[in-house]
Amino acid sequence: EVQLVQSGAEVKKPGESLKISCKGSGYSFSTFWVGWVRQMPGKGLEWMGIVYPGDSDTRYSPSFQGQVTISADKFISTAYLQWTSLKASDTAMYYCARQVVRNTNWFDSWGQGTLVTVSS
Amino acid sequence: DIQMTQSPSSLSASVGDRVTITCRASQSISTYLNWYQQKPGKAPNLLIYGASSLQNGVPLRFSGSGSGTDFTLTISSLQPEDFATYYCQQTYSIFGITFGQGTRLEIK
Repeated sequence: EVQLVQSGAEVKKPGESLKISCKGSGYSFSTFWVGWVRQMPGKGLEWMGIVYPGDSDTRYSPSFQGQVTISADKFISTAYLQWTSLKASDTAMYYCARQVVRNTNWFDSWGQGTLVTVSS
Repeated sequence: DIQMTQSPSSLSASVGDRVTITCRASQSISTYLNWYQQKPGKAPNLLIYGASSLQNGVPLRFSGSGSGTDFTLTISSLQPEDFATYYCQQTYSIFGITFGQGTRLEIK
């Protein structure tokens, strides 16, 4: 069974750094893109970027380029999303998802989400 | 970026109703269109990929159609568990994926 398990909820202060994780199991982690999606409180889904764990190729949405860093460690089947200096506006639920690429492409499995709260 | 516009933004319907949600892309995206269902406090769940292919395990009352710029998600007979928020997603631009703003389906 394909599973993505994310790290637990975080409460941070503005200016602090943070790295959250997404561990895959039940499939060949290196051969599927993993995407990150933000959902701010009461709002819709926003695609942040994706990483290919096999070679760490990473692409970002223009809205998130320079604001976060996406990475992966294929040896421990884990993808990451990190911030160097959090802002209150980073308060949101963050999801990782496996991207299947065939003749088209889609997110077929999602993590349970990591709630990040940034407050002074 | 390719913009995705869903309509309506919210919808009230009754159990047993047939419901259609539409999604329009700002440019042609062929059939690179997926639909997700999200219930409160839960991660999104894939319903339809490639505009019309039903994901394994998804009930047959869900169907998708369309190509180019106009797409629809249809629920043929609403069940109580279908009340949720629905999102379309374009993956034509694989490194510039975008979602629609969501359609909240509520019980009438």
